[in-house]
This record gives sequence, structure tokens and C-alpha cells, in this order.
Amino acid sequence: DGGITQSPKYLFRKEGQNVTLSCEQNLNHDAMYWYRQDPGQGLRLIYYSQIVNDFQKGDIAEGYSVSREKKESFPLTVTSAQKNPTAFYLCASSGQGGGYGYTFGSGTRLTVV
Amino acid sequence: GQQVMQIPQYQHVQEGEDFTTYCNSSTTLSNIQWYKQRPGGHPVFLIQLVKSGEVKKQKRLTFQFGEAKKNSSLHITATQTTDVGTYFCAVTGFQKLVFGTGTRLLVSP
Repeated sequence: DGGITQSPKYLFRKEGQNVTLSCEQNLNHDAMYWYRQDPGQGLRLIYYSQIVNDFQKGDIAEGYSVSREKKESFPLTVTSAQKNPTAFYLCASSGQGGGYGYTFGSGTRLTVV
Repeated sequence: GQQVMQIPQYQHVQEGEDFTTYCNSSTTLSNIQWYKQRPGGHPVFLIQLVKSGEVKKQKRLTFQFGEAKKNSSLHITATQTTDVGTYFCAVTGFQKLVFGTGTRLLVSP
């Protein structure tokens, strides 16, 4: 089945550590996105990529980094510079033509311990 | 940047009652999308509205786009416990979607 796979489902990070969240899609979508969701809140855009080897900052990019070396993959690194990283991280993708919305992965819950 | 206000933030209904959430923008929208997120889950795309005054139905869900394309609503008739979750509207910004703050729906049996 086509879809987006995020791993791990749960992740615990110590203070000062960098961690990388994986996002892989087999939908042949060009565009991929990373959103952050805090409890009881909406979705805020961290980074997005419309094409391989190109990406743009979203509204809350500070303390995060991404890469887009392959069409299928868009990993997100949460660096030690992100002061409040505990949140639910959602990866999404979209194809050409619109009308079908974004497809989301099942998310990664990151907790700082 | 593009912003959308969504109301109410939260609504608790008895099963069988109707429910409506509203999404409002200060600027004219090219289109609007609606998503549902079950508790503990991820957002799932429901529908996209594009035309002024457009009304679309999916079983008990009715979606409407305002004539001025500045607001939209999602109405659920005769809610069921399976309708529990948070409903988000989302609008297209430059190459990306901007999500509303969501309306959390709780349905008591």
C-alpha cells in the first residue's frame, strides 16, 4: 500500500542531544512537509520541500534542520538548539494537481528527558 | 502570512445532536481543505472546496465555502461517537498549507 512511514513512533531525547526523525513516502509525491503539533494545538510548519535537493523554512524552523537527497525521504533533525522540542511531529506529502490534500504519516512523539 | 481563525475551539455534544465548525479568513481564499484528526492519530484529508458558494456532502458531513470565499463551514448532522476528534480547516499559502487552530469535538453516548 502507498503511504508515508514515520519512525520511530516514540523517541526520547536527553538534553543537548540531536535526534533525527525519519519520513519515507512511496506515493511518488514531489512535495514533503514537516509539522509540529503541541497538545491541544494546531499544526505549525517547520520545513517543506517542493523538489529534491531544495527546501524552505516554515514558520518555526529555528532549532531544526532537514535534507532532501531523495524524492522518497525527508528526514528532520531536532538539534540541541531547539529549546522546547517535546511535541508530536508529523510528516506529510502532496502530489501535483491538488484536490487530494496532504497525506500524513502516523507521527513521532518526541519527549525530552 | 496567511491566517485562518477557527471557531469554536471545543464543543461537547450528545450523540444525535448536530455540530458545526467555522473557519474565517480576512483575505479571499483560492481554496480550503478540511481534515479530521482522531485522538492520538494523524490528520486525514476530508475534502477540498474551490468554488464560491460551493456545497459538498459526504454522508452526514456537509461542507460549505462562502460566497466571498473568505469563510467555510463543516456541519455534521446527528453526530455519532465515531465523529470524535479535532477538525481542521487549511488554506493554501505560498507552496504550503496553513492550518486553522482546529475544533475539538467530543460526543457523549
